[in-house]
Amino acid sequence: NAGVTQTPKFQVLKTGQSMTLQCAQDMNHEYMSWYRQDPGMGLRLIHYSVGAGITDQGEVPNGYNVSRSTTEDFPLRLLSAAPSQTSVYFCASRRTGDYEQYFGPGTRLTVT
Amino acid sequence: GNSVTQMEGPVTLSEEAFLTINCTYTATGYPSLFWYVQYPGEGLQLLLKATKADDKGSNKGFEATYRKETTSFHLEKGSVQVSDSAVYFCALRIMNRDDKIIFGKGTRLHILP
Repeated sequence: NAGVTQTPKFQVLKTGQSMTLQCAQDMNHEYMSWYRQDPGMGLRLIHYSVGAGITDQGEVPNGYNVSRSTTEDFPLRLLSAAPSQTSVYFCASRRTGDYEQYFGPGTRLTVT
Repeated sequence: GNSVTQMEGPVTLSEEAFLTINCTYTATGYPSLFWYVQYPGEGLQLLLKATKADDKGSNKGFEATYRKETTSFHLEKGSVQVSDSAVYFCALRIMNRDDKIIFGKGTRLHILP
């Protein structure tokens, strides 16, 4: 099992550009989430999904879109990048009802 | 609402010192409680958990006891090692429709040899 994979590992964008952060898991987990991690702010939930075809907003959803067309993939789209979106982004997955959440290695995004 | 408060870091200790990282929570209902650890350059991984009051979670020499009366879940280790240097996150989970996991802000721990 590869677990939770994220691509790219690093990305630099200019203000206004769009891009998609990829996340995939091979553990057949129903529940997937996207977090951003900022200094002094901990982990904040952006969007989450309880299964294919179902997504919902977390704590800080503005400026981000998600979709969940398959169980395995949960891409995060930045529609028009802003410097405030400079952060480290983590994707996570778990089985619904399970306690342990598995995290990907993260994507470090810089918006200039 | 549901939230987690943990002590601010960084915490700097010498090797073999005793460690406590405080965590308190506010929750509607009966949460499960977790400690996650993030080593440099990596994602988070589950360190230990407790699912009901008075449960003690333990792993790799770390322990935390679910105290409902004080709404706390403090992380302790009797003798830290340099390899314990990491960021530690306290988290809670409420089993409701959303089933979210809510994280504290994290505490950075530095262990000096």
